[in-house]
Amino acid sequence: DMKVTQMPRYLIKRMGENVLLECGQDMSHETMYWYRQDPGLGLQLIYISYDVDSNSEGDIPKGYRVSRKKREHFSLILDSAKTNQTSVYFCASSLSWGAETLYFGSGTRLTVL
Amino acid sequence: QQQVRQSPQSLTVWEGETAILNCSYEDSTFDYFPWYHQFPGESPALLIAIRPVSNKKEDGRFTIFFNKREKKFSLHIADSQPGDSATYFCAARLKYVFGAGTRLKVIA
Repeated sequence: DMKVTQMPRYLIKRMGENVLLECGQDMSHETMYWYRQDPGLGLQLIYISYDVDSNSEGDIPKGYRVSRKKREHFSLILDSAKTNQTSVYFCASSLSWGAETLYFGSGTRLTVL
Repeated sequence: QQQVRQSPQSLTVWEGETAILNCSYEDSTFDYFPWYHQFPGESPALLIAIRPVSNKKEDGRFTIFFNKREKKFSLHIADSQPGDSATYFCAARLKYVFGAGTRLKVIA
């Protein structure tokens, strides 16, 4: 069963705390993505990972970093979270760079107080 | 700095009408143009897509019209149904960037 799994589904943090969002996929996909979704802005690309330890900034990388030590796992880290990072975060994966279909996880709703 | 611009932000149509959602882009290196839909509380999922070698792609009630010269593409949903009510995102590859979305409501 092909799946992209995100943990946790909901998360509340205080400003200044560190945040770790986890994403896993069981399809051996090479490429993984992190997006955030905000009303009126759609899905904004934060980071792309082409494979293990091969990551590239997306359109809004400031305030975020990523880690991919295994092909099936891709983590998004917020060091010292800010209130404007309150959002819904989606992880996605694709077979390879340039593949046609993105498979999305169910999202993590992060609230930074 | 939206690389893919989408309009309208929201659209309401009556059941049976054709809904038209529009997108435009600037980067000529984009080579694939998908549409995703997202139902409330769910994650986006691929609906239909087109490559610029074609100017039209149909899949049932869903049709993409593509104008390479004007760098525009649109999604037409024929015979709209209440179950089509969702947010629709256009996107462009290589980097896989998305538009801001159109919230479609179909009234019975």
